[in-house]
Amino acid sequence: RKEVEQDPGPFNVPEGATVAFNCTYSNSASQSFFWYRQDCRKEPKLLMSVYSSGNEDGRFTAQLNRASQYISLLIRDSKLSDSATYLCVVIQYDAGGTSYGKLTFGQGTILTVHP
Amino acid sequence: ETGVTQTPRHLVMGMTNKKSLKCEQHLGHNAMYWYKQSAKKPLELMFVYNFKEQTENNSVPSRFSPECPNSSHLFLHLHTLQPEDSALYLCASSQVSGGYNSPLHFGNGTRLTVT
Repeated sequence: RKEVEQDPGPFNVPEGATVAFNCTYSNSASQSFFWYRQDCRKEPKLLMSVYSSGNEDGRFTAQLNRASQYISLLIRDSKLSDSATYLCVVIQYDAGGTSYGKLTFGQGTILTVHP
Repeated sequence: ETGVTQTPRHLVMGMTNKKSLKCEQHLGHNAMYWYKQSAKKPLELMFVYNFKEQTENNSVPSRFSPECPNSSHLFLHLHTLQPEDSALYLCASSQVSGGYNSPLHFGNGTRLTVT
């Protein structure tokens, strides 16, 4: 099983749709979680952190399910500009490990929003 | 956004050339990273520098040689590369404190083509 796994998609949705992605992780010691978006031929950019209680930023909602070991990203009212690859990042902090932890990226989920 | 800048943006080099990639961060972070991103593959961590000390080398071939002269600058020296080394090379920085890592901030990357 991969340490961090995402459905690569692509997800093709019309404008205005609601779409959700999941990201599963294998190590229950994982402690920090983030979503990034990456536009074609550009660098990844932080979209939002994922907090234990769930968090929302405008049309975007992130949730963490520790029991089932996954994080999710929900996008409401999709815009054409939301078309991108969405990457999840999981950080594990192990006793005796490095202070910056072990960062693992998912392979990304491709979203295409069409008119 | 100029938090993390990378040069050059594009690089084409022959297998016998020697070149260097440069990264500079203006965020006051204490950790810097080199990642490789190949088509349809997750981001691969190459090197990590924490407080200017190299703390991780993910089995990267010796034809890649990192250098971190201070906490704001990071270089990746390249020599005798192979065509399979063609990829997007991303620099990132973060702040490590209290045993936790902030989200990574990425530079805009260098797209490398080895001919």
